[in-house]
Amino acid sequence: SQTIHQWPATLVQPVGSPLSLECTVEGTSNPNLYWYRQAAGRGLQLLFYSVGIGQISSEVPQNLSASRPQDRQFILSSKKLLLSDSGFYLCACREGLRNTIYFGEGSWLTVV
Amino acid sequence: AQTVTQSQPEMSVQEAETVTLSCTYDTSESDYYLFWYKQPPSRQMILVIRQEAYKQQNATENRFSVNFQKAAKSFSLKISDSQLGDAAMYFCAYRSYYSGNTPLVFGKGTRLSVIA
Repeated sequence: SQTIHQWPATLVQPVGSPLSLECTVEGTSNPNLYWYRQAAGRGLQLLFYSVGIGQISSEVPQNLSASRPQDRQFILSSKKLLLSDSGFYLCACREGLRNTIYFGEGSWLTVV
Repeated sequence: AQTVTQSQPEMSVQEAETVTLSCTYDTSESDYYLFWYKQPPSRQMILVIRQEAYKQQNATENRFSVNFQKAAKSFSLKISDSQLGDAAMYFCAYRSYYSGNTPLVFGKGTRLSVIA
C-alpha cells in the first residue's frame, strides 16, 4: 500500500512571506494527488488535484498554487501568504485498486 | 453537484456502548463510493470503512459497520463496544464512481466523545 509523506509538519510564517508545502508518495505510480485545507473548526475544502505530471486542476481561486514536478511529488505554494491561509493542509492520494483516497499526516500552517 | 450532510455536530457515548452517526447525501448518480473517515486529535485522516453503492450488503470492519440505504440516500456509521480511542471527528464522504479523477466530497463532520 502507499505511504504519503508531508513536510514540514508545522510552520509559522509572517504575512506576505512565501510558502512551500511538500507531499511525496511511496508505493504507487501515477497516482491522483490532492491538496485539501481544513480551517479551524471546519470541514475539508479541496484546493487542487492532479492526475499526472504538470497537470493541475484548481477548485477554488485563491492565493495558493500547486505544482507536480514528478510523478509522486505534489507541492503547494504561495508567493505571499495571507492570514486567511492559516489552517491544516492535507495531501491525499487515490489508491487505484480499491478506488479509495488516503491521506498524509498533514501540515499545520499558522500565518501571523 | 453532490452534497454530504452530517446533521449531528457532536455526539457522545459511554465506553462499551454503541453509537450511530448519521450521514445523508444528495446525488443524481447511480454508482458511487461512500466512506467514513476518522480524524483523531493528531489530525491525520484515517479511513474507517468504505461502501460501494452497487453492493447491497452493508460494509463491516471489526466494530464498525454501516447502514446503507440507497433509496433514502443515507449512510450511517455504527460503532459497537465504543472505546476511548474512538473519540475523534468523523467525516462522511462521497466519491463518484464514473470519473477516476473526482475527489471526495466531505460532510462537515461529527465530533464523537467517549465517556469512561
